[in-house]
Amino acid sequence: NAGVTQTPKFQVLKTGQSMTLQCAQDMNHNSMYWYRQDPGMGLRLIYYSASEGTTDKGEVPNGYNVSRLNKREFSLRLESAAPSQTSVYFCASSGVTSGGETQYFGPGTRLLVL
Amino acid sequence: KQEVTQIPAALSVPEGENLVLNCSFTDSAIYNLQWFRQDPGKGLTSLLLIQSSQREQTSGRLNASLDKSSGRSTLYIAASQPGDSATYLCAAYSGGGADGLTFGKGTHLIIQP
Repeated sequence: NAGVTQTPKFQVLKTGQSMTLQCAQDMNHNSMYWYRQDPGMGLRLIYYSASEGTTDKGEVPNGYNVSRLNKREFSLRLESAAPSQTSVYFCASSGVTSGGETQYFGPGTRLLVL
Repeated sequence: KQEVTQIPAALSVPEGENLVLNCSFTDSAIYNLQWFRQDPGKGLTSLLLIQSSQREQTSGRLNASLDKSSGRSTLYIAASQPGDSATYLCAAYSGGGADGLTFGKGTHLIIQP
């Protein structure tokens, strides 16, 4: 049981390049999320998927697209990277535990856009 | 719009001390509040989740309390250890799906050996 996995761990892009961040979970969760974390800004929600085939915008969706490929996988695409997208990106999924609905996070992808 | 504030932003204490981390939220209509731990270069790990109907939750040396009426939660760490050094984040869930979980910016905790 790997939990939430993300690839790649690190990436350097030039302005205007595109890339896709991959995320997968093996906990059979319906809901999945993409966040970005920046110093002084905390965690901000980019996109959310409540189930396979559905996606919703979060707080900061501009410049990003997502695909919920199946129940396990939720990818984040940067079509034309900008320096403002330099950040740490976290994928998460959520499921119900004895205490309530809990989010489980991946290890993150560190992205530098030059 | 829900806002979550954590005070202090950073804290450094000697090993063995008991300490309290604070979290406040502006909208008391929450479903639950969750405390996370983040180690440097890592993702977030859930520590405790308190439902809106609960007053506190305990796990080992950690105790989290919730006072919805005052918009506050505290995380109490007993007998702190160097391994407790990390950033601690709280997050309030207000329901509604995509935008329902609001995170604080975290308290960076250092436990001195």
